[in-house]
Amino acid sequence: KAGVTQTPRYLIKTRGQQVTLSCSPISGHRSVSWYQQTPGQGLQFLFEYFSETQRNKGNFPGRFSGRQFSNSRSEMNVSTLELGDSALYLCASSSGTGVGNEQFFGPGTRLTVL
Amino acid sequence: AQSVSQHNHHVILSEAASLELGCNYSYGGTVNLFWYVQYPGQHLQLLLKYFSGDPLVKGIKGFEAEFIKSKFSFNLRKPSVQWSDTAEYFCAVSNTGFQKLVFGTGTRLLVSP
Repeated sequence: KAGVTQTPRYLIKTRGQQVTLSCSPISGHRSVSWYQQTPGQGLQFLFEYFSETQRNKGNFPGRFSGRQFSNSRSEMNVSTLELGDSALYLCASSSGTGVGNEQFFGPGTRLTVL
Repeated sequence: AQSVSQHNHHVILSEAASLELGCNYSYGGTVNLFWYVQYPGQHLQLLLKYFSGDPLVKGIKGFEAEFIKSKFSFNLRKPSVQWSDTAEYFCAVSNTGFQKLVFGTGTRLLVSP
């Protein structure tokens, strides 16, 4: 079974631009979660999508948004980029149902904002 | 709000030494507990998880963790570490039925041969 894939793996943008990151979950998984990983703040939850609906949201500004398609693939968008948005963005997928099902993480997209 | 504390930020051990990494969380409801590992250049992988039942859980690569509800703790242990255990270890908690994981700040483990 193929794992979680994320594209692109690396991205360089300048302040004020916007960016879209993509995540393809494991086949059959309906839940996709996004996390931001930085040296200062660690791993922080952004949001979770399940069956095309946002089911949970972290404490990030509205510049961070996402969506999920009918095939469970998900995209995350960050508008008006700031230097502080430089981070590793991780996507995780799970079945999304049942008690405590495991989340499988992708390799991440490293975003650098100049 | 939930939070997770990992007390050791950097740990250096020699091969064959025993390992214990501390993890405490701040939520009193029903939680699911996880330890994830991130090897150099690789993505996060699940080491072990606790949902209910036996508080001593065993994971991959000889790791185990003990859930002590009264202490809100979920410490990770390994009797004898190997050089290949060099990695960053993250403790995480979620509410039962929810996908959102709250992570600790991580512990960087360096095992010298």
